[in-house]
Formats: sequence, C-alpha cells, structure tokens
Amino acid sequence: DAGVTQSPTHLIKTRGQQVTLRCSPKSGHDTVSWYQQALGQGPQFIFQYYEEEERQRGNFPDRFSGHQFPNYSSELNVNALLLGDSALYLCASSLPGQGAVDTQYFGPGTRLTVL
Amino acid sequence: GDSVTQMEGPVTLSEEAFLTINCTYTATGYPSLFWYVQYPGEGLQLLLKATKADDKGSNKGFEATYRKETTSFHLEKGSVQVSDSAVYFCALSDEDYGQNFVFGPGTRLSVLP
Repeated sequence: DAGVTQSPTHLIKTRGQQVTLRCSPKSGHDTVSWYQQALGQGPQFIFQYYEEEERQRGNFPDRFSGHQFPNYSSELNVNALLLGDSALYLCASSLPGQGAVDTQYFGPGTRLTVL
Repeated sequence: GDSVTQMEGPVTLSEEAFLTINCTYTATGYPSLFWYVQYPGEGLQLLLKATKADDKGSNKGFEATYRKETTSFHLEKGSVQVSDSAVYFCALSDEDYGQNFVFGPGTRLSVLP
C-alpha cells in the first residue's frame, strides 16, 4: 500500500516564475492538505481540498492556489515566485470522516528553491 | 490565534541520557496535542498524541502528558538512542481551526554514541 507520494522531489525556479507541485494521497484517502515548511521552522497550513473544492485555507496569499482531481490527487500552484517561497512543501492526506486529525499521513515533501 | 512554542535546539545528548523537550501552547478551544518526528529526508511521522487534559501519550519509549493547567505537553524519554536523532515537532489541532495542525518550530535532537 503506497503512502502519500509527491513530485518532484526537488525544484529550482527563479523569481517571478510559476510552479506546480503534485501529490497523490494514500490509498483510500480523499482529503488533501498542503503545508509549507521554511528552513528551520515548523510546517504552516496552506489549504485543504475535499471533493475537488478548497475547504479551508490558512494565511497565505492568492498566489498560492490548488486543485484536486476526481482521483483525489492534488496540485499546488504558486505564481509570481518570491525568494521567500523557498521551502519544503508537504502534502498530507486523510479521511474526513475519521474526525481525529492524526489520521493525516504526510508525504516526504518537495523542496522548492527560488533564486 | 492558536500557537505552539518549543524549546530551541539543537539539543545534543549522549546515548542513554534522559531527554526532555518542552512544549507550550495557546489555543482558544480544547485542542488535541501531538508530537511528530521528522527523520532526515523523510516525511513527518506521528510519534504520540493526547486528546484531553491529563491524557498521557506514549510510543517507542517517548511520553508526554497533556497539562491543561500549564498549557504544556513536554516530550520525555528515559534513555535516548543514536537512532532517535531527528527533528521533533509539537503540534495542536483545534476544532476551531478545522482540525488542521498548528506546528511549533521544531527541536533538532542529536544523540552521540
């Protein structure tokens, strides 16, 4: 049973560019959350997708957008990249009906570097 | 808003030493509390949790007790091993926050043989 997978593993972009990160949830999970983890800091919640809609959003600008597909996989898009967007982007999947948040399983992350 | 504070690292210990990593939180509701561990190159893994006051979470020799009166959830282990070297994150989940996590900044632990 595959866990949460993310691609690519590493990515280098320049300021002003756009980037798309991808996440495949754990088998049987239908909810995907995205987190940003800056170097030396804890992850910060970006948003959560369920039934192909953004269900909840953290304190991130509109440059950060996402999408969820019918197979529950998800994309995170960041426009007009800034140096400060350099971070590890984590995807977590879960079953919403479980209620207990510890059913969120985290992927290994995508390391984004903005030059 | 909700927040989590952890002791700053890095923490360096010798094998078999006693470990304490302090964690305190601020929340408007009655959150669940968690410790996550991140090994190099790997994703976050749930280490233990506690969902209400006075609950004790435990796993792999690690323990933490939910102290509502001091808003704390300190992580302890009686005898650390080299394999425990990792970054440890304290986190909370609050119904008011839609059950997503608020993480602390993390504490890096290095255990020397």
